[in-house]
Amino acid sequence: DAGITQSPRHKVTETGTPVTLRCHQTENHRYMYWYRQDPGHGLRLIHYSYGVKDTDKGEVSDGYSVSRSKTEDFLLTLESATSSQTSVYFCAISEGAARQYFGPGTRLTVL
Amino acid sequence: GESVGLHLPTLSVQEGDNSIINCAYSNSASDYFIWYKQESGKGPQFIIDIRSNMDKRQGQRVTVLLNKTVKHLSLQIAATQPGDSAVYFCAENGSGGSNYKLTFGKGTLLTVNP
Repeated sequence: DAGITQSPRHKVTETGTPVTLRCHQTENHRYMYWYRQDPGHGLRLIHYSYGVKDTDKGEVSDGYSVSRSKTEDFLLTLESATSSQTSVYFCAISEGAARQYFGPGTRLTVL
Repeated sequence: GESVGLHLPTLSVQEGDNSIINCAYSNSASDYFIWYKQESGKGPQFIIDIRSNMDKRQGQRVTVLLNKTVKHLSLQIAATQPGDSAVYFCAENGSGGSNYKLTFGKGTLLTVNP
């Protein structure tokens, strides 16, 4: 398995609170991605990074921000969590126009 | 195939049979395609990929076929085993405006009956 860890693996929080999810890789891959997975929608890209401090929006970026201060870490922040952000969040890494490797996921519940 | 609404397309096969899972893609500019397997509670796992300059690629017990004329991708699993039970989904790289971003299908649920 690719060296990708996500933390926390499970989180329950309340509406309006900030939440930060962490993705850590040991593969030194350039690209990192955050997806959410919901029934009926499959995997949807939230944000991605193509290098340290280089990030861009995906198709469902509203309400989310990201930061990448080191090659190995990519953080996803929900500034003020809403119930619509209850989902399973996956981090992925890749070396470019090639296969992406996924982490184990974080299950987030916003009450 | 692709899912409609909240329910995934399903494929149920007997152990030992061959399975074929289909995927239609939308962007004729896509030049890279990939299949993933996702077991319950886990992250997607890479199975096999193929570039548009190929029609077929084989791996261990799996084969991917690409038909660019009709924009169709299929995954064949030989001698299906109970451990193959999972959701399978395809992805392409051409629909997101960048060739390092993938667009994913919604998946097909494969159930293998012993």
